[in-house]
Amino acid sequence: ETGVTQTPRHLVMGMTNKKSLKCEQHLGHNAMYWYKQSAKKPLELMFVYNFKEQTENNSVPSRFSPECPNSSHLFLHLHTLQPEDSALYLCASSQESGSGGDEQFFGPGTRLTVL
Amino acid sequence: GQNIDQPTEMTATEGAIVQINCTYQTSGFNGLFWYQQHAGEAPTFLSYNVLDGLEEKGRFSSFLSRSKGYSYLLLKELQMKDSASYLCASMDSNYQLIWGAGTKLIIKP
Repeated sequence: ETGVTQTPRHLVMGMTNKKSLKCEQHLGHNAMYWYKQSAKKPLELMFVYNFKEQTENNSVPSRFSPECPNSSHLFLHLHTLQPEDSALYLCASSQESGSGGDEQFFGPGTRLTVL
Repeated sequence: GQNIDQPTEMTATEGAIVQINCTYQTSGFNGLFWYQQHAGEAPTFLSYNVLDGLEEKGRFSSFLSRSKGYSYLLLKELQMKDSASYLCASMDSNYQLIWGAGTKLIIKP
């Protein structure tokens, strides 16, 4: 595997379900990010981890819970979601956060539908 | 507040040139990024500008004017595969990317 991988690619869940999204980067980076992408809206930064430490939580509801066990893996645990949470969830990585010019590499995303 | 503006959609002809504009207002500035995103795929990095001027990379060029809060992406010799969304993002004083909603570029034969 190369680059940034995400599983599953598609997920349909009910509002009472619990599920997790997984992201893995094979680039040796130290920063990882979760973004939400809704149709015709800008990418919304949700969480940032730098060297496994969470450095940003952009007022994300507690029904989204991130976990970063090491610099290569990032999870997003989902619980009691709402239909408006349906979106494409993108994971990205970069060499480290907090430095200019550091391009982010994105995974293909998980298309989430909440019924 | 922080804001990135770019056109929602543009149409151009194969072989032609197109310029996609982006204006930004962010708290501090640490550079301007352009990404390309094909439908159903991950965004991929195209360019980064932090100093005023034009950066050329093959058929793609990106321009920045910090005093005007303005950037553009110039695509030359358009090919059908260039049909995609183009995302403009400004890096703010906290080194976080503030994204525009993207410009969907449609290339016609």
